Amino acid sequence: LAKTTQPISMDSYEGQEVNITCSHNNIATNDYITWYQQFPSQGPRFIIQGYKTKVTNEVASLFIPADRKSSTLSLPRVSLSDTAVYYCLVGDRAGGSYIPTFGRGTSLIVHP
Amino acid sequence: DVKVTQSSRYLVKRTGEKVFLECVQDMDHENMFWYRQDPGLGLRLIYFSYDVKMKEKGDIPEGYSVSREKKERFSLILESASTNQTSMYLCASSLEGRSTEAFFGQGTRLTVV
Repeated sequence: LAKTTQPISMDSYEGQEVNITCSHNNIATNDYITWYQQFPSQGPRFIIQGYKTKVTNEVASLFIPADRKSSTLSLPRVSLSDTAVYYCLVGDRAGGSYIPTFGRGTSLIVHP
Repeated sequence: DVKVTQSSRYLVKRTGEKVFLECVQDMDHENMFWYRQDPGLGLRLIYFSYDVKMKEKGDIPEGYSVSREKKERFSLILESASTNQTSMYLCASSLEGRSTEAFFGQGTRLTVV
C-alpha cells in the first residue's frame, strides 16, 4: 500500500487559496488519489478523486503531476467553515475491494 | 440523500461488558467498514466486509469481532470491553469497484469505565 506524507497542520485566512500537498512516492500504476475532509465530531467526507492531470468539482481542485508521486488539493477562497482535517489517500479502486486507508491528515485552520 | 446511521452517538459502558455498535446503510452498498479514531492517530481500520456473512480483519482487529447478517447492517462487537477501547468509532460503506468514495456515519463516542 502506497504511503502518503502530508503536512501536519496549516494556517490560512479567509478569502485565500489554500494548497495542501501530499507526497506518495511509491504510488502504483492502478492507484487512485482521493481526498477526504473531516470536521470535529463527524465522520470524514469525500471531496475529490483523480488519477492524473487535473480534476475540478464544486468544492476543490486536484492537481496531479505526470509522475504521480505527489498531488495537491486546492481550496479556492477558503472560509472559516473550511477549518477541518484533510486526508490524502492512495489506493487501487479496481477489483471491488478498495479499502480507504487514512494517515494522520493535515489540520487546516482558517483565521478571520 | 445517502445515509449511514450509527445506532448511538455516545455510549458509556463498564469494563468487561459485551458491547454492540450497530451501523445501517441505505445505499445497497456491498462494502462496509469499521474504524476507530484516536487523537493523533487518524482513522485505523478494525474490520471490513465486502458481502453478507463475509468479513476481513483490518489493521487492529484484536478485541473486536463483527457480524454482517444482512447487506445493510454491519455490527461491531467488543467481546469484553476494556478502557483502552475508549475511542470514537466510525462506520462507512462504499460501492464495489466503481469509486474511491466511502460514506461515513456520524460516529459513536464510546467510553469504557
